[in-house]
Parts: sequence; structure tokens; C-alpha cells
Amino acid sequence: DVKVTQSSRYLVKRTGEKVFLECVQDMDHENMFWYRQDPGLGLRLIYFSYDVKMKEKGDIPEGYSVSREKKERFSLILESASTNQTSMYLCASPRGSGRFLDNEQFFGPGTRLTVL
Amino acid sequence: AQRVTQPEKLLSVFKGAPVELKCNYSYSGSPELFWYVQYSRQRLQLLLRHISRESIKGFTADLNKGETSFHLKKPFAQEEDSAMYYCALRAYNTDKLIFGTGTRLQVFP
Repeated sequence: DVKVTQSSRYLVKRTGEKVFLECVQDMDHENMFWYRQDPGLGLRLIYFSYDVKMKEKGDIPEGYSVSREKKERFSLILESASTNQTSMYLCASPRGSGRFLDNEQFFGPGTRLTVL
Repeated sequence: AQRVTQPEKLLSVFKGAPVELKCNYSYSGSPELFWYVQYSRQRLQLLLRHISRESIKGFTADLNKGETSFHLKKPFAQEEDSAMYYCALRAYNTDKLIFGTGTRLQVFP
């Protein structure tokens, strides 16, 4: 089974802080995704990456950036955290290479971020 | 526009009752549709996909292109089915899953 891990289960930050959320997958997958999960809104795609140093904006990229320096690691960065970024953040990694994804996305356990 | 609609935020049933979680999609081509499930304190995971035409944990879902629906059904709900369920769509030749807003299923004893 694919193992997708996230650096923190819970995180509390203050408004204006720079926040790093890290995701690691151990199956040599090329593709990695960041979502946020909010009640009543479902999962919304923030950014995704097809390969090292490659990134594409998802549906709600504003206020976020990403970094993919190594294949197994995909970082989500909140340059200046705001209260409306309080959410559950999920990392996912599907099988497939390049733009040809397998159907199933394997999710990490999530990071619940609270911005005060 | 590609969209997935799950009209019910919460569905409550008693154990042994039939369950139907509704999912409608908006897409003009041939979509791939999935149901994902998140049990309490567990990670989100794939439940089933329409192309497999499989039954997982007693759940089935049939793609109805005429009604653009992919409802999830189970004839006899169990307490362990209580979870958050998300319907998702992958349009042909795209790289992203589009998720619905989710339905929380509560099965009472």
C-alpha cells in the first residue's frame, strides 16, 4: 500500500506567520496533490505537482504556494497565515506518471491547522 | 462546468434500513466516477469506482448517464457504515478529481 504521511496532525499558528505543511510519499509516485477540506465545501484542490520542481494551480491557490524539491516530498506554504486558512489540509498521491493518473488517490491523515 | 452535487449534508438511518446517498454530476462527456469514504479518525480512502462495477462492503453504485447520477446504495445499513462519504468525478483526459461537498451518514442502532 502507498503510504502518505504528513508532518503534523495538529498545528496552531498566529495570523501573519509563515506556515509549512509537509507531505511525504514512499512509493516513488510522480504526482502529489494538496487539498483543503471544509465542512459543507468538501475537498478543494489547492495545488498539485506532476514531478520534481513542477507545480500547477488548483482551484483555490490564492494565499498558498508549494515546493517540490524531491520526488517524495511536497510542501504547502502559507506565506502569511490568515484566519480563513483555518482548515483540514489533506495531501494525496495517485499512481500514474506525468499527466496520466491512475484512478485512485491515496490520502495522508491530514493536518488540522488553526490560525489564531 | 464540471460539478459534483451531493444534495444531502446528513443522512440518518437505523441499522438494517436501506441507504441511498445521492450524487449528481455535470459533465457532457464520459466521466469516471468514484465514491470516497472517511471513517472517524481515519484517512480518506477509495470506496468504489464505477468502471469496476464492484460491490464493496455491501455498497454499490450505478452510473446513470441519462440522469447524470451515481448514487451509492446499500440494502441494509450497519453501524460501522457511519462515515463521511464523498462523490468524485474525473473528466476524460484531465488530471484532477472534482469532489462533492460530502454526505455524513449516521446509522443508529
